[in-house]
Amino acid sequence: GENVEQHPSTLSVQEGDSAVIKCTYSDSASNYFPWYKQELGKRPQLIIDIRSNVGEKKDQRIAVTLNKTAKHFSLHITETQPEDSAVYFCAVMDTGRRALTFGSGTRLQVQP
Amino acid sequence: GAGVSQSPSNKVTEKGKDVELRCDPISGHTALYWYRQSLGQGLEFLIYFQGNSAPDKSGLPSDRFSAERTGGSVSTLTIQRTQQEDSAVYLCASSLAGGPSEQYFGPGTRLTVT
Repeated sequence: GENVEQHPSTLSVQEGDSAVIKCTYSDSASNYFPWYKQELGKRPQLIIDIRSNVGEKKDQRIAVTLNKTAKHFSLHITETQPEDSAVYFCAVMDTGRRALTFGSGTRLQVQP
Repeated sequence: GAGVSQSPSNKVTEKGKDVELRCDPISGHTALYWYRQSLGQGLEFLIYFQGNSAPDKSGLPSDRFSAERTGGSVSTLTIQRTQQEDSAVYLCASSLAGGPSEQYFGPGTRLTVT
């Protein structure tokens, strides 16, 4: 099955700085890569996703890049704000199971 | 519109008892997923339904776990003879169609086995 590794496990940045979270995956056939944000005690919510036919996607301060050859993808948050503080999970669609395999999460803390 | 709902929000049970967790997906969503999130951990896939059928049950951790979905809508996850290691938040998600599309999560059921 799919194996997803996510780094770093914790990340602390100053407000206004950029944050980058990286994930690697094992199944070269995987074709869908979403990122979820989970605030404390809340449900995960999709913030951005990318499909395998695209190398980069942006939505305001958030961007995701995908390198299919190297089997890794990254989340980039620019101009971070305190409300960006949360746990971020990457995920990969397992084409066999048709379900998401999640990374272990990154706790992002934005210091005001 | 209404999102994914789950009940109960919290469940405390004694070791050895059976529990049933319920998920109401977004109306019209054909795909439904169950995940488990242990404290401070990522999400672990349990089972996936397309309509009423579950093509993949391989994520269920043991034969004490079972799930069903009726009428292409509501799903129940049943855990028999609960163990302390079953304590976790059980999350349900639905999507318009299976495969590479956004999954919308419910608020979860926090299960505590004492």
